[in-house]
Amino acid sequence: QVQLQESGPGLVKPSETLSLTCSVSDGSIDTYYWTWIRQPPGKGLEWIGYISYTGSTNYNPSVKSRVTISVDTSKNQFSLRLSSVTAADTAVYYCARVVRGKEYNAPTSGFYYYYYMDVWGKGTTVTVSS
Amino acid sequence: DIQMTQSPSSLSASVGDRVTITCRASQSISTYLNWYQQKPGNAPKLLIYFSSSLQSGVPSRFSGSGSGTDFTLTISSLQPDDFATYYCQQNYISPWTFGRGTTVEVK
Repeated sequence: QVQLQESGPGLVKPSETLSLTCSVSDGSIDTYYWTWIRQPPGKGLEWIGYISYTGSTNYNPSVKSRVTISVDTSKNQFSLRLSSVTAADTAVYYCARVVRGKEYNAPTSGFYYYYYMDVWGKGTTVTVSS
Repeated sequence: DIQMTQSPSSLSASVGDRVTITCRASQSISTYLNWYQQKPGNAPKLLIYFSSSLQSGVPSRFSGSGSGTDFTLTISSLQPDDFATYYCQQNYISPWTFGRGTTVEVK
């Protein structure tokens, strides 16, 4: 059973860059999509972005100017970098595996893709504070 | 962004109760809707994907339905392990967005 584990500093200073890594064990990283999601203290979930096995990315506009998600297939890891952090970036950060399914839409004679996060890391708390 | 509105925000129920949670999207999302369960201090767990498909290993007392803008998660007979917070999430249009959650508490 594939497992994900986040790692990285638990404390980051304001204006600096948050860097986290997600290690994928007991599974290959090059056949799925991979995503980061965060949860501020006492609040709900916010999707940050994903990277595909081809390396293409899709980011939430709320962080798009500050975020980079990358993958290192040789290490079976993917990473998150979030620059110019503020206290609002304080959260539990989760990495997760994304499954992409395909549905045929008869009215349009086309295929549509749906996505869901089926395996999650345990999460890592990142606090932004001086 | 597509707004996902869950109701109620919390509910109290007893073991054995039938529980229904509603999720409404601000625009049509077809059936591109997932449900997750989260317990305090833990990561979310996938329950239902594509509106009504039960994730492998999830008990059959959980079911999902709906299309367009209105969706429902139903727990047919609430068990002690089901007291948690439930989130819906749309993946029809980027950015993917979550509802604010529904907490199921012990009555």
